[in-house]
Amino acid sequence: GQQLNQSPQSMFIQEGEDVSMNCTSSSIFNTWLWYKQDPGEGPVLLIALYKAGELTSNGRLTAQFGITRKDSFLNISASIPSDVGIYFCAGPINTGNQFYFGTGTSLTVIP
Amino acid sequence: GAVVSQHPSWVICKSGTSVKIECRSLDFQATTMFWYRQFPKQSLMLMATSNEGSKATYEQGVEKDKFLINHASLTLSTLTVTSAHPEDSSFYICSAEGTDEYNEQFFGPGTRLTVL
Repeated sequence: GQQLNQSPQSMFIQEGEDVSMNCTSSSIFNTWLWYKQDPGEGPVLLIALYKAGELTSNGRLTAQFGITRKDSFLNISASIPSDVGIYFCAGPINTGNQFYFGTGTSLTVIP
Repeated sequence: GAVVSQHPSWVICKSGTSVKIECRSLDFQATTMFWYRQFPKQSLMLMATSNEGSKATYEQGVEKDKFLINHASLTLSTLTVTSAHPEDSSFYICSAEGTDEYNEQFFGPGTRLTVL
């Protein structure tokens, strides 16, 4: 499968801090999605990006689709304990609709 | 809207038995569903694409005779793990493709399989 590399692999932050994580790929994506997964549950969609350069917000979350369509970042502002979980980037490569997931960023928020 | 369910949510079985996992789109029709496997602390790995009324498309390295997929209706896909072994223990997640122009995928809550 295609490789989407996420960084950092894990983060430990204090409540109230801002968080930034990114995702890169060697392949072009026509859609870029950010998901959050809580333990023992399926991923939940946070933000969807459809156009190169697009910047989209969802509450305290902001994500941008890179101009080259090979990267994206996700920012979380003023983190709270319920932000804890694993964040995945995902998307179909340009030639198909199979979704590939990134390696994941594990976020721990310390109260 | 766009709710996907899985059943069972968890299952424990003996080695050598077969286990069937159901994935249902509750409020929309899905011609395409996907099956993923996730090992602890790892990412989701796409196993196969399930197409209604036709054979599933398996990713490289996934044994089609081991993981039988049936997509008999527009709201139901099943994954059967045949002759399960302990190494098949994993978290299995399905998703259903929406009908909008963006082909958004909606994920089920997952099924935890433990093979003793």
